[in-house]
Amino acid sequence: GDSVTQMEGPVTLSEEAFLTINCTYTATGYPSLFWYVQYPGEGLQLLLKATKADDKGSNKGFEATYRKETTSFHLEKGSVQVSDSAVYFCALGGRSKIIFGSGTRLSIQP
Amino acid sequence: EPEVTQTPSHQVTQMGQEVILRCVPISNHLYFYWYRQILGQKVEFLVSFYNNEISEKSEIFDDQFSVERPDGSNFTLKIRSTKLEDSAMYFCASNNPGRDYNEQFFGPGTRLTVL
Repeated sequence: GDSVTQMEGPVTLSEEAFLTINCTYTATGYPSLFWYVQYPGEGLQLLLKATKADDKGSNKGFEATYRKETTSFHLEKGSVQVSDSAVYFCALGGRSKIIFGSGTRLSIQP
Repeated sequence: EPEVTQTPSHQVTQMGQEVILRCVPISNHLYFYWYRQILGQKVEFLVSFYNNEISEKSEIFDDQFSVERPDGSNFTLKIRSTKLEDSAMYFCASNNPGRDYNEQFFGPGTRLTVL
């Protein structure tokens, strides 16, 4: 079945560092891809999405490109802030259901 | 901006008791979902609901679980006889078949603690 594999955490970076969180997927069709963020004690917020190959999703300085040839959707940010500390989930799917990766905890040190 | 709401935010219950978790999806949405997240683990799909019936359910969603849309606004998840392993965060989501047809909007979650 469809699945998502993402980089194990926790990831600890200094403020203003470059961030990459790797995500690869397995899917039989052509699902949409998502990154969700969960801040401490809160629910799931959609960070960005891409609906087809080569689409780039972006929001709040974060970017991810839907790469069909490598079945990847890596999350990047050029300069992280302390406020970016959260758990990040890569996910695929759409209307029928969403399948989540295991999450990557990101901690940014001032 | 419209949002999905869930009540209560935290529910504590004794093992074997029935619980009902409530959700109010976004008003013009037609597809509804429940997910759960056991503490520190990934978010797992439970069930999807459309046109007053279950569209799809996971193997987690056994006979102890049921869903209902009792009126035009609420969407509920009932756990008939709770077990310790049902302790988790439960998220409701809804989907609009229009412009954002592939996106699900999530509520803030209900934390269920089974003692």
